[in-house]
This record gives sequence, structure tokens and C-alpha cells, in this order.
Amino acid sequence: DTEVTQTPKHLVMGMTNKKSLKCEQHMGHRAMYWYKQKAKKPPELMFVYSYEKLSINESVPSRFSPECPNSSLLNLHLHALQPEDSALYLCASSLSDKWEEHTGELFFGEGSRLTVL
Amino acid sequence: GIQVEQSPPDLILQEGANSTLRCNFSDSVNNLQWFHQNPWGQLINLFYIPSGTKQNGRLSATTVATERYSLLYISSSQTTDSGVYFCAVSGNYGQNFVFGPGTRLSVLP
Repeated sequence: DTEVTQTPKHLVMGMTNKKSLKCEQHMGHRAMYWYKQKAKKPPELMFVYSYEKLSINESVPSRFSPECPNSSLLNLHLHALQPEDSALYLCASSLSDKWEEHTGELFFGEGSRLTVL
Repeated sequence: GIQVEQSPPDLILQEGANSTLRCNFSDSVNNLQWFHQNPWGQLINLFYIPSGTKQNGRLSATTVATERYSLLYISSSQTTDSGVYFCAVSGNYGQNFVFGPGTRLSVLP
């Protein structure tokens, strides 16, 4: 089973709302990722969790708050977002994020398409 | 950080034609993947290929790590091959995968 599941698929929120995106994988992977993708652009890395600890934060604004409750789950909490934060948010996982040869193959979920009004 | 370039940026093919997509990267890499993003936004794994050559049906890929490039070959293209093809790499110090800008492929019937 090589599946990463993201919910919800679509989300519309106002600038004062608080919402969360969820991601789940059952492949035994120990690294999980959030990417953001704007229209006609490549995905951009936001956060990396390794063994349930935040290992990379690519200078993401604090209105995005990641959480990794366990090795299978990854959340992205959203608060006070701006219209320019509207994008496709992609979750991914990989076996490891350590510098070990060839353990980094990424598997992506279908994404959560976020619209901020 | 690592820079990734892809060429061509856009490609229009007639169904049945062959094509070659290229990915150049600026430093040595530990991981390299090719993805196809379909019109609904899903990123589909095509190849995990930090070095060497792999084939899967009509698609094949080659990475020459010492010369810092990778090629994706699509033969006998079909309309369902349309979409954006991304190359993504990570260097020797972690998993901050960087995506190239993509090649947008349109296959016409």
C-alpha cells in the first residue's frame, strides 16, 4: 500500500477562520513533508518532520503551524491566512530523511486545494 | 542551495510521437525523482533514479550523476500523457527536495 491520504480535498475559509489540513500514511515512513504549490509553479517545501520532530522549516509564516502527533499523521493548522495563501497544499512521506543512500523517495497525497476569501 | 533547470518549458506533440525531457542540476544529489502532475493536481511517481537507467513501459529515464543531468524519454505518446513533468532533487545534506520549474506537455489527438 503506497498511499498518502489528505483531507479535506477542498477547503474555503475566511481570513479570520481557524482550520486544519490532515495527512495520513501507513507505509511505515519516518519523514513527512508539507509542500505548497501555486498555479503554474512547482511545489515549494514548507516543513519536514523526521521521526516526529520538526527538522526543516523553510521560513514559513507563523500563521501556518505544523503538527506531527505520531509517525503516521501530519497536520497543518491554519489561522489568520491571507488571500495570497490560496494554493494547493501537498503532503508527502518518505522512508527516511537521513543522509542514507536512496531512502528518500517521496510519495505524495492528492493535495488539499485551499481558497482564502 | 541546489538549482534545478528543466527543458523544454513547453512541448506540444502529436499522439504517437516520441519526446525527451531534460533536467539539469547544479550540485551532486542523493535523490532524484521524476513526477507527472495530472490536471487534477496529483503528483504521480514516475521514476526514483539518482543514477543509472530505468524503464517502465513507454517511459524510461537515465541519470548521469557525474554530469549532473537526467533525461526522461516518452515513446508513442498518448493524450493521457499530457500534464506537467517535474524533476525533483535533494542534495547530500538532507531532504529539502527542490523541484525544477517543470515541462508542460500537451499531446494532441
